[in-house]
Amino acid sequence: GEDVEQSLFLSVREGDSSVINCTYTDSSSTYLYWYKQEPGAGLQLLTYIFSNMDMKQDQRLTVLLNKKDKHLSLRIADTQTGDSAIYFCAETPLSGYNKLIFGAGTRLAVHP
Amino acid sequence: DVKVTQSSRYLVKRTGEKVFLECVQDMDHENMFWYRQDPGLGLRLIYFSYDVKMKEKGDIPEGYSVSREKKERFSLILESASTNQTSMYLCASSRNRGIDTQYFGPGTRLTVL
Repeated sequence: GEDVEQSLFLSVREGDSSVINCTYTDSSSTYLYWYKQEPGAGLQLLTYIFSNMDMKQDQRLTVLLNKKDKHLSLRIADTQTGDSAIYFCAETPLSGYNKLIFGAGTRLAVHP
Repeated sequence: DVKVTQSSRYLVKRTGEKVFLECVQDMDHENMFWYRQDPGLGLRLIYFSYDVKMKEKGDIPEGYSVSREKKERFSLILESASTNQTSMYLCASSRNRGIDTQYFGPGTRLTVL
């Protein structure tokens, strides 16, 4: 079946890089997404990557996709206190008809 | 900018009450979705709709129904609320029936007493 897994918690020091990891099971995944949820808010799309890409960079964000291992990561360079949030990995399987499968979310805590 | 709004940020209801959660999007999107979010479980799809008056069950439809009478509005209905439906409910929309980015509303935190 379709499943997306993430570690639940990550703590980093301000200014360091953060790496949030995600694994998925559906090899037919077409797009993979990273969403951010700040306290009390809905989900905000951060970035996405098509399954035929290995890497995508957008300012402080770098997404790496290892399709062989079904592993996705999000690297945030120079992490700031404003980056504290829950980060969700999600995939759209080919059979999913625009359906998103979400991981449980990784809570990122940034401390001084 | 896409805007997805939800009628309430917080709701408190009693067991057995009928509850309506409303969602409106202003970008003429075809697809609309209802998720519930619970700690440690992420988001789970309840129902979605790809056209007016069309609906499809998601992963956890039991205890819920939906209505889509107009393209911009998608309602989630709890016919008889129960305490295990206490959760954060998130609405989303996307432009077309193909693979497309989903945009989320701010969420409604529902507490059922």
